[in-house]
Amino acid sequence: DAGVIQSPRHEVTEMGQEVTLRCKPISGHDYLFWYRQTMMRGLELLIYFNNNVPIDDSGMPEDRFSAKMPNASFSTLKIQPSEPRDSAVYFCASSLTAYYNEQFFGPGTRLTVL
Amino acid sequence: KQEVTQIPAALSVPEGENLVLNCSFTDSAIYNLQWFRQDPGKGLTSLLLIQSSQREQTSGRLNASLDKSSGRSTLYIAASQPGDSATYLCAVSSGYALNFGKGTSLLVTP
Repeated sequence: DAGVIQSPRHEVTEMGQEVTLRCKPISGHDYLFWYRQTMMRGLELLIYFNNNVPIDDSGMPEDRFSAKMPNASFSTLKIQPSEPRDSAVYFCASSLTAYYNEQFFGPGTRLTVL
Repeated sequence: KQEVTQIPAALSVPEGENLVLNCSFTDSAIYNLQWFRQDPGKGLTSLLLIQSSQREQTSGRLNASLDKSSGRSTLYIAASQPGDSATYLCAVSSGYALNFGKGTSLLVTP
């Protein structure tokens, strides 16, 4: 398996623009997680899905953030409108189950909002 | 809320040394603990996963221990090499999500 795939790897945009980050989980994994990493706060969970259904989005910072998982092999994280404080590395991860299995991380998307 | 702390924040050692990285967590009700490696500008690579019922896991030169009752885990790296230079992250699962420490930045000098 190719592992978790994320695109784009780097994104530079201007404040106010819409940003869409993409993720393909490992085939057969039922859980998908979106995390954000910043110097100040480290790695934090934004939202997770089980069998394509969002289960907990309490980590999503504001209504400007939204995430979807239209099928088992694709998820998006959208920021609209983007702000400079959204600049961070966004990671997608997947696992077979939520409690006892390893989470496998993608390479991340480094987002810079000017 | 689960708080995960890693000490030291940074460590520099000469090649060949054995070293220990520390991780502590506040809530002992965990499912598992994972150690990750992160290289600059890269994603997270899973190194070891210890289930709550286990005491330790080994992979090559790496050995991770878990003392759930005291809320501590250690990652032991034997015979360190310059290629081990990276940030090491400890993450605790108390449910569906992983709670991460801030990491230990390791530099192994030739």
